[in-house]
Amino acid sequence: DIQMTQSPSSLSASVGDRVTITCRASQSISSYLNWYQQKSGKAPKLLIYAASSLQSGVPSRFSGSGSGTDFTLTISSLQPEDFATYYCQQSYSTPIFTFGPGTKVDIK
Amino acid sequence: QVQLVQSGAEVRKPGSSVKVSCKASGGTFSSYTISWVRQAPGQGLEWMGGIIPIFGTPKYAQKFQGRVTITTDESTTTAYMELSSLTSEDTAVYYCAREIHSSGWNYFDYWGQGTLVTVSS
Repeated sequence: DIQMTQSPSSLSASVGDRVTITCRASQSISSYLNWYQQKSGKAPKLLIYAASSLQSGVPSRFSGSGSGTDFTLTISSLQPEDFATYYCQQSYSTPIFTFGPGTKVDIK
Repeated sequence: QVQLVQSGAEVRKPGSSVKVSCKASGGTFSSYTISWVRQAPGQGLEWMGGIIPIFGTPKYAQKFQGRVTITTDESTTTAYMELSSLTSEDTAVYYCAREIHSSGWNYFDYWGQGTLVTVSS
């Protein structure tokens, strides 16, 4: 099975900061990597699919990069509404999916 | 606009079963996959399994094999997830999600609101 890890597990940042979250797969998954944002008590929301494609309606301050085993999600200028937990998900082994453990972004 | 509306919260005793529903509206129900993802309190997301209504053949995560059953009713555009032999470890919010297949990429673009299942004696 493909295992996903994320770092850091949590971070504190200020509004306007540039934030980078890393996701690593236990084997190469090409670009089959998605990113989700989850706010407390809410369902996850798709941000990025295919490693770098921005989902419709998602602000352009979110971007994704990487391929193979190493991926990043970048928020170019953190906004108050971006404080949430972010999960990566591999879809290489579809129809089997695996999520990363999550990265919580909170206010410094 | 696709909408997934799940059934309400459930409380079950250990050893029993629970069946959660997910009614879809918008889009073509039979052509996309419905997956189920759960989240234990304070924990991350865990994919449980999925089903493509037009094929009717579900796929399950190994961890839940033999304990989970995912089905669909095309006449009511509703998907179901039944989990048996419940323990306290199954206390979680259960989400359904639509899995989209676009240009070779798979991802979950619409989610239900979640159903809290509490297992307690």
